[in-house]
Amino acid sequence: DAKTTQPPSMDCAEGRAANLPCNHSTISGNEYVYWYRQIHSQGPQYIIHGLKNNETNEMASLIITEDRKSSTLILPHATLRDTAVYYCIVRVSSNTGKLIFGQGTTLQVKP
Amino acid sequence: DVKVTQSSRYLVKRTGEKVFLECVQDMDHENMFWYRQDPGLGLRLIYFSYDVKMKEKGDIPEGYSVSREKKERFSLILESASTNQTSMYLCASLSGTPKKNEQFFGPGTRLTVL
Repeated sequence: DAKTTQPPSMDCAEGRAANLPCNHSTISGNEYVYWYRQIHSQGPQYIIHGLKNNETNEMASLIITEDRKSSTLILPHATLRDTAVYYCIVRVSSNTGKLIFGQGTTLQVKP
Repeated sequence: DVKVTQSSRYLVKRTGEKVFLECVQDMDHENMFWYRQDPGLGLRLIYFSYDVKMKEKGDIPEGYSVSREKKERFSLILESASTNQTSMYLCASLSGTPKKNEQFFGPGTRLTVL
């Protein structure tokens, strides 16, 4: 599985869009980009994933560059409850589902 | 609501004790996982299981064993607890035919070994 690089921390004002970057320059053609988040004292929670097209769901949008070497998770209107550690994970989709978590980005949403 | 439950939120044990951490999921998932989480090290995979009675070592299996006798239950065993096993332990499950590889995590067990 390819390695990912994320900034250790970011701040965002409540109500504004939070844009969390992730670099995965060694990603291979069959690897997906997954995003999870972990709110304090809880287990991680799946947010979104994609292969090469941009994706959107009720929680967030995922923008993947054309060369697939980086991606951005967008929380369109951040709330205080979005304060969490966000993990970008690159892996081949398979039935075993093994995930390798890096250090993630700690997002602090401020009032 | 899908659910992964863990037997305890907090646990305190003494060095040398045998410790059982239980995880139960109600989603009929084939795959189950045990992670530990430590400050500065993130989540690390200890063991996983893709079927009843099947198990695979993760990245840090030393000092741990697991048991999967029933599909819904995955147990993590510390045969002889040591202080360096003080950590947050997280269990997760995943459908065997995932549409989006969404792992569902339990709330975690914070284990302290004295």
